[in-house]
Amino acid sequence: QVQLVQSGAEVKKPGASVKVSCKGSGYMFIEYAIHWMRQAPGQGLEWMGRLNTRSGDAKYAQKFQGRVTMTRDTSINTVYMELISLTSDDTAFYYCAGSISVPYPSKAFDNWGQGALVTVSS
Amino acid sequence: DIVLTQSPLSLPVTPGEPASISCRSSQSLLGSDGYNYLDWYLQKPGQSPQLLIYLGSNRASGVPDRFSGSGSGTDFTLMISRVEAEDVGVYYCFQGLHTPAYTFGQGTKLEIK
Repeated sequence: QVQLVQSGAEVKKPGASVKVSCKGSGYMFIEYAIHWMRQAPGQGLEWMGRLNTRSGDAKYAQKFQGRVTMTRDTSINTVYMELISLTSDDTAFYYCAGSISVPYPSKAFDNWGQGALVTVSS
Repeated sequence: DIVLTQSPLSLPVTPGEPASISCRSSQSLLGSDGYNYLDWYLQKPGQSPQLLIYLGSNRASGVPDRFSGSGSGTDFTLMISRVEAEDVGVYYCFQGLHTPAYTFGQGTKLEIK
């Protein structure tokens, strides 16, 4: 079955960077874009950007431009999201998601990773 | 960026009763292909979000038929015909038309009375 499995929780100091991974299985990895969202504790969902897993092209929300980089390694069906210059405001669950089984032309996210908690604290 | 405004933000419901959530967009979500790029998600406590409705009115695989979506353009509604205890959580609308600035609504928390 389709699965997106993310890396584990991270604790980082302010000013550091974090790299979260998302490994896909059970489907053709390069056929579907992967999106990243985040959710601060007790807050709503925020779309961060998306990666075309075939071409490697990424599009980012303006808020994260210059601080986020999304990449992939097709040999291991894994997407990465790196966020730099962390502050306490970046403390959140980070989710990857894809529109893998939903019928065309929908781009709805029918498969989600389990989330990775990133805590930024001195 | 497109702003999605949900109402109400809190929704206490008696089991067996209906419930509805509104999502209004600051711009039309009707694509040139005739589809409305508005989706609904439910995030149950402690879980990742799950897809309920895509393209405004299509139930995702495995979603009970008590859930339905309607609307077009800028006004959308999620309806639950008879709320069950397992429906508690936060409901989000999401627009996937105006790339790359996709956006979520602020969320509606459904609780059981």
